[in-house]
Amino acid sequence: SQTIHQWPATLVQPVGSPLSLECTVEGTSNPNLYWYRQAAGRGLQLLFYSVGIGQISSEVPQNLSASRPQDRQFILSSKKLLLSDSGFYLCAFQGAGDTQYFGPGTRLTVL
Amino acid sequence: QQQVKQSPQSLIVQKGGISIINCAYENTAFDYFPWYQQFPGKGPALLIAIRPDVSEKKEGRFTISFNKSAKQFSLHIMDSQPGDSATYFCAASYYSGGYNKLIFGAGTRLAVHP
Repeated sequence: SQTIHQWPATLVQPVGSPLSLECTVEGTSNPNLYWYRQAAGRGLQLLFYSVGIGQISSEVPQNLSASRPQDRQFILSSKKLLLSDSGFYLCAFQGAGDTQYFGPGTRLTVL
Repeated sequence: QQQVKQSPQSLIVQKGGISIINCAYENTAFDYFPWYQQFPGKGPALLIAIRPDVSEKKEGRFTISFNKSAKQFSLHIMDSQPGDSATYFCAASYYSGGYNKLIFGAGTRLAVHP
């Protein structure tokens, strides 16, 4: 079966520090992968998507970047965090048909 | 045109009642309409989904009604239970540039009181 993992589950970082969030998928090959951010009490905003290794597209300009070093690994990074980067970060993969399946998320607090 | 408008923002229903959440869209290119359920601190989980060639889809207590001409779709939760208390998101998607572009509504926070 297909599963998706994210870590860490929670993270508290000071402003100006770097960030690395990891997402891995099991049970599927060459899936489309997505990073979303969810502000408190809000909907989901697509940040990045990837259709293959090394192929990253950004939906919105921001302080973040993404990389896909392996087929089933998707990484979200920042060199210097801003207060506005706080939020709930969700990774998703595209399964059968058009369905996207989400990971458990990472709660990031920037102080 | 890319928006999906969801209402109400919050909903309180008594146990056993019917919960109804509505969504509307403008972009006729959308061809897949999923609903997600999200509990606090968890990732959204797919609940039920429909394509525009079908007017209704039912899975257990959950039913999607779809009105293509009005560009509206809704989620009905029959016999609502306290365990259904969560935030529900409608979404709409279409293919663009080789990937599935999924647009979410703002969410509805449902509270089912015993």
